[in-house]
Formats: sequence, structure tokens, C-alpha cells
Amino acid sequence: DAGVIQSPRHEVTEMGQEVTLRCKPISGHNSLFWYRQTMMRGLELLIYFNNNVPIDDSGMPEDRFSAKMPNASFSTLKIQPSEPRDSAVYFCASSLRVLPEETQYFGPGTRLLVL
Amino acid sequence: DAKTTQPPSMDCAEGRAANLPCNHSTISGNEYVYWYRQIHSQGPQYIIHGLKNNETNEMASLIITEDRKSSTLILPHATLRDTAVYYCIVRGPIYNQGGKLIFGQGTELSVKP
Repeated sequence: DAGVIQSPRHEVTEMGQEVTLRCKPISGHNSLFWYRQTMMRGLELLIYFNNNVPIDDSGMPEDRFSAKMPNASFSTLKIQPSEPRDSAVYFCASSLRVLPEETQYFGPGTRLLVL
Repeated sequence: DAKTTQPPSMDCAEGRAANLPCNHSTISGNEYVYWYRQIHSQGPQYIIHGLKNNETNEMASLIITEDRKSSTLILPHATLRDTAVYYCIVRGPIYNQGGKLIFGQGTELSVKP
């Protein structure tokens, strides 16, 4: 089992540029989650999808952030335009279903640095 | 807001059992207790979860008190590779943010030779 796959693993960009992070969930999982981790705020949920539909995006910081899930095997998190304060590690996770008894499995993360 | 309280750090000798406590005094009857850990620079790793009964798997044991207001994660024979931040998380039903994992600050466990 390949687990959750994220790309790129590292991204360095300049302020104002568009950044796209990618995630492939575990095959057969119907729920996908995007988290962000910073020293200041810890690990926080940005948005999650169930059956490719966004369910809760209340954690998305502002309109510069957008997420899509065009199909069951792919999701993107886009930041446009990027700012230095967006520098963080972004994790994608997936689970079979969005239920409290279902385990979420995390990917290795994308380390983003915005200069 | 995280609904759990954990000590910020703990030490454990290699080969000994590591007992990590978690207080969740406001837990409801239908809320699960989850444990994850995060080894430096890696994604969070699922360890174990439970509702009411004690649970054991190949990684750890979870002991939940009878009143469910606290729990203990036990790593029976800690190794240096168990050095990580351990998160105790309470997950409610789907209609009360049960889809989310809300991470607190966790306990930084250092396993020493």
C-alpha cells in the first residue's frame, strides 16, 4: 500500500507567486483532509472533502487559499498569491469515511517556504 | 479548542515502558480518544484509538479510566525511535466536528539510552 502521496515534498517560491500542492489519497478512501503545521499555530485543519465534495472549509485562512478534488484520487491546494506567512508544512490525510471511528492516515507533507 | 490536557514533555529510559497521560475531563459518551505521534519532520502517525474499553495493538496499549475522564498510552518497551511528540485527541460525532482531528500541543517524549 503506497499510503498518502504528496508532491512536491519541498517548495521554495517568492512572494506573489502561485503555489500548487498535490495529494493522492489512499485508494478506496472517500475522505480527504488538508492540514497546515506552523510553530506558532501547531497542526490545524484547513479543509476536508467527502466523496470529492468540500464539507468544511472553515479553516481556510483567506481567499488566497483554494482547494479542489476533481476526482477520488487527486486533490490540490492552491495559494495565489503566496505570502511569507504561508510558509509551513502542509499535510494531506485520508480516511475511508468521515466518521469519528475512522482513522486518518497522513502523508509525508510538503514543506513550503515563501521568500 | 483542544479538549485534552497533556504534560508538555516526558523522558523515558530505553527498554522501559513509557506511560503518557491525557486528561479529557469533559469527554462525552460518544466521543473517541485517539492517539497520534509525530516524529520530527514526518507526518502524524496513527497509534491507537478507543471509545470505552482498553485497547491494544502492535504499537501500544490504551487504558481508559472507567469514568472516561482520562487515559494513558503505554509503549511497553520504548526505543530511541519512539522519540516523538504524542498527541491525545478527542473526536466527537460527525455532527459535532467529528470529522476533524483537533491537535493540541502534545507531549514531547524523549527516549534516552
